Amino acid sequence: AQTVTQSQPEMSVQEAETVTLSCTYDTSESDYYLFWYKQPPSRQMILVIRQEAYKQQNATENRFSVNFQKAAKSFSLKISDSQLGDAAMYFCAYRSDITQGGSEKLVFGKGTKLTVNP
Amino acid sequence: NAGVTQTPKFRILKIGQSMTLQCAQDMNHNYMYWYRQDPGMGLKLIYYSVGAGITDKGEVPNGYNVSRSTTEDFPLRLELAAPSQTSVYFCASSNFVGAQYFGAGTRLSVL
Repeated sequence: AQTVTQSQPEMSVQEAETVTLSCTYDTSESDYYLFWYKQPPSRQMILVIRQEAYKQQNATENRFSVNFQKAAKSFSLKISDSQLGDAAMYFCAYRSDITQGGSEKLVFGKGTKLTVNP
Repeated sequence: NAGVTQTPKFRILKIGQSMTLQCAQDMNHNYMYWYRQDPGMGLKLIYYSVGAGITDKGEVPNGYNVSRSTTEDFPLRLELAAPSQTSVYFCASSNFVGAQYFGAGTRLSVL
């Protein structure tokens, strides 16, 4: 079974600076998807960014980018120019490729609480 | 542009009462999910569905039931509510290759 590990329970960053959140995963599959979700105090789960394992290029969404290292099974999230509104819990998640017979269920990490200091 | 809609947003139940949490999606997604999130914890999968008429248990199904009569709707039924079911409940949906998209959540207290 796949597992997702977020080794940093809490992180903090100064406003306007850059922070990197770590995520590692364990799988024997070759095709899969990885996601970062943000959960602010409102508790809404918001998709931040996604990465397909077959793509070598790292995904980017405005100030959010990932460093996807397939061989190392690492999927870190970089937040540039941090803003107060970035303060939230961040969850890393893994999903199999259903077309390859994998599960449609998400496997979540335990989350990293990000604090942004003014 | 509704996405996944959950109702109600908040509810207080007495022990032993029953209720249904509603979930509807307008993205024509095949897959739908119910999660619960206890304070300070991650999400735990309660039930999921891969299409109309098909449901399956997740990690913590006890005390809950679901049905999926249409592609759009996936209600979660709580029978004989217990204090242990106090939680925030999230519904989500996805397609074959996409991310899961979540509703805003239902905050349930059982007193």
